[in-house]
Amino acid sequence: QLQLVQSGPEVKQPGSSVKVSCRASGISFYRHAMIWVRQAPGQGLEWVGGIIPLFETPSYAQSFQGRVIITADEVARTTYLEFISLRPDDTAIYYCAKSAVQASMGSYFDDWGQGTLVTVSS
Amino acid sequence: DIQMTQSPSSLSASVGDRVTITCRASQSITNHLNWYQHKLGEAPKLLISTTSTLQSGVPSRFSGSGSGTDFTLTIANVQVDDVATYYCQQSYSTFLSFGGGTKVEIK
Repeated sequence: QLQLVQSGPEVKQPGSSVKVSCRASGISFYRHAMIWVRQAPGQGLEWVGGIIPLFETPSYAQSFQGRVIITADEVARTTYLEFISLRPDDTAIYYCAKSAVQASMGSYFDDWGQGTLVTVSS
Repeated sequence: DIQMTQSPSSLSASVGDRVTITCRASQSITNHLNWYQHKLGEAPKLLISTTSTLQSGVPSRFSGSGSGTDFTLTIANVQVDDVATYYCQQSYSTFLSFGGGTKVEIK
């Protein structure tokens, strides 16, 4: 049984950075796409970006290009989301999720982490 | 990027009603459309993949249909436990996108 366990809540100042982690237990995610999705207060789900550890090259939604870095460590079975130059409107719950289909970002996602609240406030 | 538009944004139904949620893509996505249920305080849950494949453990009152640009999620005989926000997601492009969500409430 795969479990995705995310790091704890964060409170950050505007302009700072944050790194959220998502550790997989149960199976290897090496061939699966690992994505990050966020939900801002009162808003819907928004795809931030993702990575397939097998291929190493991440992809990002256009609106986050240049502000987000997604990496994966297969040995640690962990994927990371790093946000730089945080703004108050980056306040959101950030979820990681694993693709059901191997070796493709174009997939549906059948396992999700519990979510990490990132609050950006001065 | 492919834009996904859901309607309605919210609805209120009585227990036992038939509920229909629509999702429209800005271009053809063939059958690469998935549905998620998101309850307050929980992680999203995959309900239906590739338009109509019900995931294991999901009640049979949920069904999906459509192709190309227009898709539908139907909840036959809606129950109190179905209170949630429902999202469509396209997996045709490697640049993923979600619909804006449909909040389902019970009268």
